[in-house]
Amino acid sequence: EAQVTQNPRYLITVTGKKLTVTCSQNMNHEYMSWYRQDPGLGLRQIYYSMNVEVTDKGDVPEGYKVSRKEKRNFPLILESPSPNQTSLYFCASSSQGTQYFGPGTRLTVT
Amino acid sequence: AQTVTQSQPEMSVQEAETVTLSCTYDTSESDYYLFWYKQPPSRQMILVIRQEAYKQQNATENRFSVNFQKAAKSFSLKISDSQLGDAAMYFCAYRRAPLGSGTYKYIFGTGTRLKVLA
Repeated sequence: EAQVTQNPRYLITVTGKKLTVTCSQNMNHEYMSWYRQDPGLGLRQIYYSMNVEVTDKGDVPEGYKVSRKEKRNFPLILESPSPNQTSLYFCASSSQGTQYFGPGTRLTVT
Repeated sequence: AQTVTQSQPEMSVQEAETVTLSCTYDTSESDYYLFWYKQPPSRQMILVIRQEAYKQQNATENRFSVNFQKAAKSFSLKISDSQLGDAAMYFCAYRRAPLGSGTYKYIFGTGTRLKVLA
């Protein structure tokens, strides 16, 4: 089944404790992306990657890191999470412009 | 910079009736993609419909159709014969096409919550 998977689906952590949210797609898509969704703000793009070893900033990259060492994986790294990074996070991959989203990761930073 | 605006935070429609959700955008590009995504309570993001700016014909998918007005930079979604399962948050989104200039960022609107009344 063609899909984008994210792990974990839910995460509660404390300020400053490094975490990684994994994202994987099995559709051989070149484009992958991370978003955060906050009430009243819609989805905002954090980072995107056009291909392996090629990443670029979205609209809200501060406090986040990404890497793209393999085509199928695009992990999101929060090196020192803060409470303002509490949000719903989505990974997506894209073919010919159309994005396919993962199920989301609910992150709470206390 | 490109922007996407959804000016209706919430709308209601009676079951079996028709409703139109509004979206306007701003870009200097001539070729781009526009999308409507649906987000039900499960929070899964589901593609509803896609429009390429170079195509004159409005996209349709079953009960969903768009009114794409390029000059006015307007991209509204019409839902016909509304069903209870259509209740969701709807997001309008933009991305430039590959042969344009600028970034490949996706820009989303803030969403419209649609309620369907039985």
